[in-house]
Amino acid sequence: NAGVTQTPKFQVLKTGQSMTLQCAQDMNHEYMSWYRQDPGMGLRLIHYSVGAGITDQGEVPNGYNVSRSTTEDFPLRLLSAAPSQTSVYFCASSRTVPPYGYTFGSGTRLTVV
Amino acid sequence: GQQVMQIPQYQHVQEGEDFTTYCNSSTTLSNIQWYKQRPGGHPVFLIQLVKSGEVKKQKRLTFQFGEAKKNSSLHITATQTTDVGTYFCAGIGGSYIPTFGRGTSLIVHP
Repeated sequence: NAGVTQTPKFQVLKTGQSMTLQCAQDMNHEYMSWYRQDPGMGLRLIHYSVGAGITDQGEVPNGYNVSRSTTEDFPLRLLSAAPSQTSVYFCASSRTVPPYGYTFGSGTRLTVV
Repeated sequence: GQQVMQIPQYQHVQEGEDFTTYCNSSTTLSNIQWYKQRPGGHPVFLIQLVKSGEVKKQKRLTFQFGEAKKNSSLHITATQTTDVGTYFCAGIGGSYIPTFGRGTSLIVHP
């Protein structure tokens, strides 16, 4: 099992560019979520999904879109990158809605210049 | 909304000393989870507590859930350099969405 796979690991964007962060899991987990991690801020929830076709907003959703067309994949789209979106992004999944523990991907380090 | 406060933000210890991090919620929790993140790594799930007053141990790590289910602690006995990292608690309340604390970074000096 690969677990949760995130690509790319590193990315540099120019302000205004768009891109998609990929997240895939092979554990048949129903629940998937995206977090961003900034120094001293912990993990903040961007969007989450409780199953294919269902998504909802977290604490900091502005500037990001998600979709969940399959159980395995949960891509995060940055519509028009801004320097404030410079962060480390983690995708996480769990068997079903929490309170099962999360399995995290290895993260994408994004810099917007 | 639910807030989860974690203290201290940083803790320096000499190898062999004990370490404790505390997690406090503004609301009563149904569950609390603990994660460890090594420098440059991703969070890894350690444990979940669900019962009032629950105490669980994993080798040198002891996890407690308060009687009122609003606070929790993680205690490490005789720290080792392999314990270095940031420890996060995540509280789960009425909604099933975990709210993460900001973490405690443990620095162990050999």
